Amino acid sequence: GAVVSQHPSWVICKSGTSVKIECRSLDFQATTMFWYRQFPKQSLMLMATSNEGSKATYEQGVEKDKFLINHASLTLSTLTVTSAHPEDSSFYICRAGTGGGETQYFGPGTRLLVL
Amino acid sequence: EDKVVQSPLSLVVHEGDTVTLNCSYEVTNFRSLLWYKQEKKAPTFLFMLTSSGIEKKSGRLSSILDKKELFSILNITATQTGDSAIYLCAVLQGAQKLVFGQGTRLTINP
Repeated sequence: GAVVSQHPSWVICKSGTSVKIECRSLDFQATTMFWYRQFPKQSLMLMATSNEGSKATYEQGVEKDKFLINHASLTLSTLTVTSAHPEDSSFYICRAGTGGGETQYFGPGTRLLVL
Repeated sequence: EDKVVQSPLSLVVHEGDTVTLNCSYEVTNFRSLLWYKQEKKAPTFLFMLTSSGIEKKSGRLSSILDKKELFSILNITATQTGDSAIYLCAVLQGAQKLVFGQGTRLTINP
C-alpha cells in the first residue's frame, strides 16, 4: 500500500525558534498534501491543504504566516512552525493524496514540544 | 457547516464483549466514509465505505454505511485488550478533504 513518511518523529525546541517538518510520499506521487494538528484527547483538525506547485489553502483560524507550507514536488511537502510557542506543542500529521483515491494513509506524525 | 459526530465518546467494556461504535454525518459533496484506529501514533486505516448496505469485514471488525440515514457503525466482536484505542470516523469530501469526528475512546479491561 501507499507509504507516507514524516521527519522528524519527535522534536523539542525553545520558544521563539522555527521548526520544519517534512512529509514524503514514498511510492506514489502526491498531488495534494493535507496537514493536521491534534491536541491531547482531541480529534484531528485540518490546518491546510497544499497542491503541488501552488499556494496552500488554510482553514479558518490557522495563521498562514505562522505555519508555512511548501509543496515544491510531488513527493515532498514541508510545514514550518515559525517562532514556535508552547501553545504550538501538538501532534502534527500529514496525509498525502492523489486524484486516484490513495487518500486513506497518514504519515506517522511528528510530536512537537515547545519549551 | 460540515460535521461528523461520533458516539459514544468513551466506552469501557470487558474483554470478550461486543461493541458498536456510531458515526453520523452531515457533509456536502460526500464521497466516502472512513474508519481509523489510533493508538499512540497516527491513525491506522481500517475501512473505507462508499456504498450503502455493503458490510466490510476484517477479522473481528466490521462496518456498514447507511447513506439514506447518514450514519455508519463499526462493530468489534470478542474484544481484546489490544483493541483499546481511539476510533475515528471521517468523511471524505469531493476535493479529498477529510472531516473527522471527535473519536470514541474504547477501553477493554481484562
